[in-house]
Amino acid sequence: AQSVSQHNHHVILSEAASLELGCNYSYGGTVNLFWYVQYPGQHLQLLLKYFSGDPLVKGIKGFEAEFIKSKFSFNLRKPSVQWSDTAEYFCAVNRMEYGNKLVFGAGTILRVKS
Amino acid sequence: EPEVTQTPSHQVTQMGQEVILRCVPISNHLYFYWYRQILGQKVEFLVSFYNNEISEKSEIFDDQFSVERPDGSNFTLKIRSTKLEDSAMYFCASNPTGAYEQYFGPGTRLTVT
Repeated sequence: AQSVSQHNHHVILSEAASLELGCNYSYGGTVNLFWYVQYPGQHLQLLLKYFSGDPLVKGIKGFEAEFIKSKFSFNLRKPSVQWSDTAEYFCAVNRMEYGNKLVFGAGTILRVKS
Repeated sequence: EPEVTQTPSHQVTQMGQEVILRCVPISNHLYFYWYRQILGQKVEFLVSFYNNEISEKSEIFDDQFSVERPDGSNFTLKIRSTKLEDSAMYFCASNPTGAYEQYFGPGTRLTVT
């Protein structure tokens, strides 16, 4: 069965610090990879996605993620966080076939101190 | 920008009662999904729906659950006889072809007392 692991459940950073959130998945086939963000009181929004091609993908709000196939990883990064990045971040995976369910990691709650 | 909408935002019900959670997916989307998130736990897949039938369901989606697309715009999740452990945030999602990212609604918080 597919599973997604996020290494940190809570992360606290000061503004301007760099961010890296780890995500590893277990699935042997070809996958699509996603990072979603949930700001307090809001719904899940897509930050970025990887389907194929350049393994370094850039998303909204200065976020990027790198797909490393050999490590089954898709870590999220941001060079300099802002207070407004305080949110919960979810890594998710689905298979390449149509209509496939997303399998989510447990989420990482990021708090940025101003 | 089109959005997935869900109603109600919060539903409180007594154990054993039936509830219907409603979703309006984005209008040109063909694949629809329900997920739930129990407080403090991960988002879990419940069911996917395409071409007026269930395409995949999880082990959570037992006989107490059903989905329906009663008209061209709504997509509903029914829980026939709610249990305390059904208390969760329920998210609806949709996508146009199944192969792209899923667009999520704001969720319905279901509280079973």
